Amino acid sequence: TQLLEQSPQFLSIQEGENLTVYCNSSSVFSSLQWYRQEPGEGPVLLVTVVTGGEVKKLKRLTFQFGDARKDSSLHITAAQPGDTGLYLCAGDPAGNMLTFGGGTRLMVKP
Amino acid sequence: EAGVAQSPRYKIIEKRQSVAFWCNPISGHATLYWYQQILGQGPKLLIQFQNNGVVDDSQLPKDRFSAERLKGVDSTLKIQPAKLEDSAVYLCASTQQGGGTQYFGPGTRLLVL
Repeated sequence: TQLLEQSPQFLSIQEGENLTVYCNSSSVFSSLQWYRQEPGEGPVLLVTVVTGGEVKKLKRLTFQFGDARKDSSLHITAAQPGDTGLYLCAGDPAGNMLTFGGGTRLMVKP
Repeated sequence: EAGVAQSPRYKIIEKRQSVAFWCNPISGHATLYWYQQILGQGPKLLIQFQNNGVVDDSQLPKDRFSAERLKGVDSTLKIQPAKLEDSAVYLCASTQQGGGTQYFGPGTRLLVL
């Protein structure tokens, strides 16, 4: 059982569609991070959410941290093929050790 | 600014053989991490260094895995002997100080036959 559960595991959509991916835990996190990983590359940090209820926007990406700081979501508006990749959430429940979720593999078809 | 460098990028070995991976972090980054990412999963932390000291290696399978960062800069991760289940991507990351943004290298993809 993973500390951070991501859903869905796989998502295949057409260009222009909207989507939401979820990151859930039974543990409280002081912060959660979202990464995107492309094939053959390491994860790249997209955003860090710190405050319960916080919403952050990065162009077409909207990140939300749950009020109880146990869950987070990533919403992409009008997805593009360039959004294709593995989206990972990660938290630091204690100290400086990042724990990653299993990831959501997104494919956006032109 | 150069990113985190890792080599080799790919390695294929037979089970019971030994293998070593190398990581050169971003210049000036004191903290270095090694992660194992099995296909279809998120990265799992193996070991964290602060300069040349080990901060946490609780998830490192010490019977076969070892890592060092002797001069507090480059690091090597070794597997001896390798098992089939060690097939994975081994990622190295670094931060200026522990808790800061982690910058990842491209990883070494290991296949154990």
